Amino acid sequence: GAGVSQSPSNKVTEKGKDVELRCDPISGHTALYWYRQSLGQGLEFLIYFQGNSAPDKSGLPSDRFSAERTGGSVSTLTIQRTQQEDSAVYLCASTEDSFQETQYFGPGTRLLVL
Amino acid sequence: SQQGEEDPQALSIQEGENATMNCSYKTSINNLQWYRQNSGRGLVHLILIRSNEREKHSGRLRVTLDTSKKSSSLLITASRAADTASYFCATETGANNLFFGTGTRLTVIP
Repeated sequence: GAGVSQSPSNKVTEKGKDVELRCDPISGHTALYWYRQSLGQGLEFLIYFQGNSAPDKSGLPSDRFSAERTGGSVSTLTIQRTQQEDSAVYLCASTEDSFQETQYFGPGTRLLVL
Repeated sequence: SQQGEEDPQALSIQEGENATMNCSYKTSINNLQWYRQNSGRGLVHLILIRSNEREKHSGRLRVTLDTSKKSSSLLITASRAADTASYFCATETGANNLFFGTGTRLTVIP
C-alpha cells in the first residue's frame, strides 16, 4: 500500500522567506511525527501528533516553527523567516497508533536556505 | 523502502545482563546510526559510527561496524529496566538519505 509521502522533495529558499512542508501519513495512522536531520547528524525530533490530543511540541527549536494537522491526516510544517541553519532534511513519520514501535518514514523534504 | 534489517526483532533479558542487537544493510554507507524509541515517543539518537570506524563507545553502549559484511551491532552492557525500548539502526548513504531498520524491541526484566 501507499507509504508516507512528503512534498516538496526539495525546496530552495532565500533567507527570511517562509516555507511550508507537507506530510501525508499512511491512511488510518493516528500518530504523526516530524523530525529534521542536519548534514551528518542524527534525527532531531520536532513535533508529535496523536489523534485529537494536543501535540507534543517539545522539540520545536524556536517559535518560527509551527505545525498543524488537519482532520487527523495531512500535516503541514511551517518555518517562518527561514535562517541558513534551518537547512536540513525534514522527515515525517507515522504510526498506526502511539503504542506501535515501528515508525514509517516519508522520503523527506530537503530544505536549503540560501 | 527501509534498507536496514535488525536482528532479533524482539529480545527479552534480565536486568544486569548484556543485550546485543544486530543490523544489516545493503548498500555502501557514509555512516550508521543507532536510535532508541520509547513507546509513543519520538526517536532518540544514541550513537553514530562512520564508515571508516570499526568500533565506538558511549557509556554503556558499544557499537561495531563491519563494512565488508555490511553489518553493525549494538551492545548494551549491564542493562537496566529503563533500557526497555525499541532500537533502530539507520544508514546514511549520502545526500542526507537516511534509511531505518525495522527495529529490535528490547525488554529488560527487573
